[in-house]
Amino acid sequence: DADVTQTPRNRITKTGKRIMLECSQTKGHDRMYWYRQDPGLGLRLIYYSFDVKDINKGEISDGYSVSRQAQAKFSLSLESAIPNQTALYFCATSDVAGELFFGEGSRLTVL
Amino acid sequence: AQTVTQSQPEMSVQEAETVTLSCTYDTSENNYYLFWYKQPPSRQMILVIRQEAYKQQNATENRFSVNFQKAAKSFSLKISDSQLGDTAMYFCAFMKRTQGAQKLVFGQGTRLTINP
Repeated sequence: DADVTQTPRNRITKTGKRIMLECSQTKGHDRMYWYRQDPGLGLRLIYYSFDVKDINKGEISDGYSVSRQAQAKFSLSLESAIPNQTALYFCATSDVAGELFFGEGSRLTVL
Repeated sequence: AQTVTQSQPEMSVQEAETVTLSCTYDTSENNYYLFWYKQPPSRQMILVIRQEAYKQQNATENRFSVNFQKAAKSFSLKISDSQLGDTAMYFCAFMKRTQGAQKLVFGQGTRLTINP
């Protein structure tokens, strides 16, 4: 089983719908992240969390919210999806040594 | 704020050739890490190699090596004896060395194709 698991792997939805992307990890790391990947732009940080009580905005947090339900779980929500949120979303974890471990990505299409 | 630039959107070489991917970055920090990640068609992000800025010696992992030029803020990746399985997107990334969350700043990526 993967150390960082994302669900769903692929999702197609309509404008205005609420969407939740879920992430769970078995690495025991405190730090978790959500990134968004767009062609030609690389990956950009949406939100990150040091631990269950700590949530921080990244560079592109507008239109997104997150919830850290437990050390192992970090979910990303789009309250009202719009087409320009069509992208590949990655969850990642890290330990104090700094290496990030990524999930397999969730491809979201907003029509 | 840090920025990372990969000036080669696409590259293509023949199998067994050597290829070098370019990366430059901009920072005022002195302690940081640099990374190359590989993203094959499976879309999994895979760490290829990592360099700590305070180390002068260039990092090497089997066929992968870097040319780290701190003064020039350059961090290129060399792939020797390229293989078909090296076909992927390659991302250069910067991370400030901190006790807090490790936030990576990524370049735009280079799509590398290895031809048989």
